Amino acid sequence: QLQLHESGPGLVKPSETLSLTCTVSGASISTTTFYWGWIRQSPGQGLEWIASIFSTGNTYYNPSLESRLSISVDTSKNQFSLTLSSVTAADTALYYCSTGGELLYFFDYWGQGALVTVSS
Amino acid sequence: EIVLTQSPATLSLSPGERATLSCRASQSINNYLAWYQQKPGQPPRLLIYDASNRATGIPARFSGSGSGTDFTLTISSLETEDFAFYYCQQRSDWPPLTFGGGTKVEIK
Repeated sequence: QLQLHESGPGLVKPSETLSLTCTVSGASISTTTFYWGWIRQSPGQGLEWIASIFSTGNTYYNPSLESRLSISVDTSKNQFSLTLSSVTAADTALYYCSTGGELLYFFDYWGQGALVTVSS
Repeated sequence: EIVLTQSPATLSLSPGERATLSCRASQSINNYLAWYQQKPGQPPRLLIYDASNRATGIPARFSGSGSGTDFTLTISSLETEDFAFYYCQQRSDWPPLTFGGGTKVEIK
């Protein structure tokens, strides 16, 4: 069973960089042809897609955040990561990592989410 | 960017009733639409993909229909565990992948 788990600091200061890692179990990032992605949800709000990376390394970013974003894969650790620079209070959210597996562009497997608060 | 508009924002119904949720796209997305259910404190759960295909393990009371710009999620007879938030998502023209604003199905 494919499982995902987010990790990272829960508190980030304004203007600093947010870094999150998603550890995948039950599937190998290097041998699957899946998209691996990040979605966030601000408190009491809806869902916002942030970025995805394909198993080949191709990256896809939300244009509204692209200038601050980077997504990468570490196949040796079976992890993928997100960095978001120059954060503000508006970046406070629950960050989910997810994949659609064979459904590719949809999200069938989710982590439990990592709450990130931007505050000084 | 394709905008998805969900209606109504809130649907107040009783167990056993039929729920009909709408998702409208700002331009045609063929059938490239998914529906998710989210309960408090949980990540979303994929219900329907490609407009009408139930995801693995999803009960038959959930069904999806539509193509082009207008889509519907129907819950034929609400169970108590179905009271939750529901979101639609398109993958027709990306990036970005986009979600609708959500519909809350609450107990009347």
